[in-house]
Amino acid sequence: GDSVTQMEGPVTLSEEAFLTINCTYTATGYPSLFWYVQYPGEGLQLLLKATKADDKGSNKGFEATYRKETTSFHLEKGSVQVSDSAVYFCALSDQYGGSEKLVFGKGTKLTVNP
Amino acid sequence: GAVVSQHPSWVICKSGTSVKIECRSLDFQATTMFWYRQFPKQSLMLMATSNEGSKATYEQGVEKDKFLINHASLTLSTLTVTSAHPEDSSFYICSASEGTSGSFSDEQYFGPGTRLTVT
Repeated sequence: GDSVTQMEGPVTLSEEAFLTINCTYTATGYPSLFWYVQYPGEGLQLLLKATKADDKGSNKGFEATYRKETTSFHLEKGSVQVSDSAVYFCALSDQYGGSEKLVFGKGTKLTVNP
Repeated sequence: GAVVSQHPSWVICKSGTSVKIECRSLDFQATTMFWYRQFPKQSLMLMATSNEGSKATYEQGVEKDKFLINHASLTLSTLTVTSAHPEDSSFYICSASEGTSGSFSDEQYFGPGTRLTVT
């Protein structure tokens, strides 16, 4: 079945460092790809998404490009802030029996120190 | 933005008892609600999808009689874990969408989750 693999954390960075969180996927169809973020004590929030190959999703300085050839959707940010500390989930949606469902990675915890 | 709440945020219960978890959409009408389960350091796993006024659709391997889902209104869905056992201890997360049938043209909004511990 479809699956998402993302780099294990935790990841600890200093403020203004460059961030990459790797995410690869396996899917039988043509999925849409997502990054969700969960801040402490809150629910998951959609950070960005891409619906087809070569699309780039971006939001709040974060970017990810849908790479079909490498089945990847790596999350990047050029300069992280303390407020970016959160758990990041990569996910895909695909058609299952006529409806779309989300398949998540295990999550990567990011801590940014001042 | 759209807000989804869950209640309680954590609950401890004794083995054999039932526990009800509520999921509410606070500022929008949730045509579709989803229930997920998350074990420590694991992915969120979809348990079931429910559309308002209809029976829930359960994922393969999820016991319908053990995890009762009710979606009686456009702002409230409940998950009842019946005859809970220690192996049911987990983090339960709901999400809600304004769309139907889980179409991802409509974004899912997630609740903060409920930690269930069965002793």
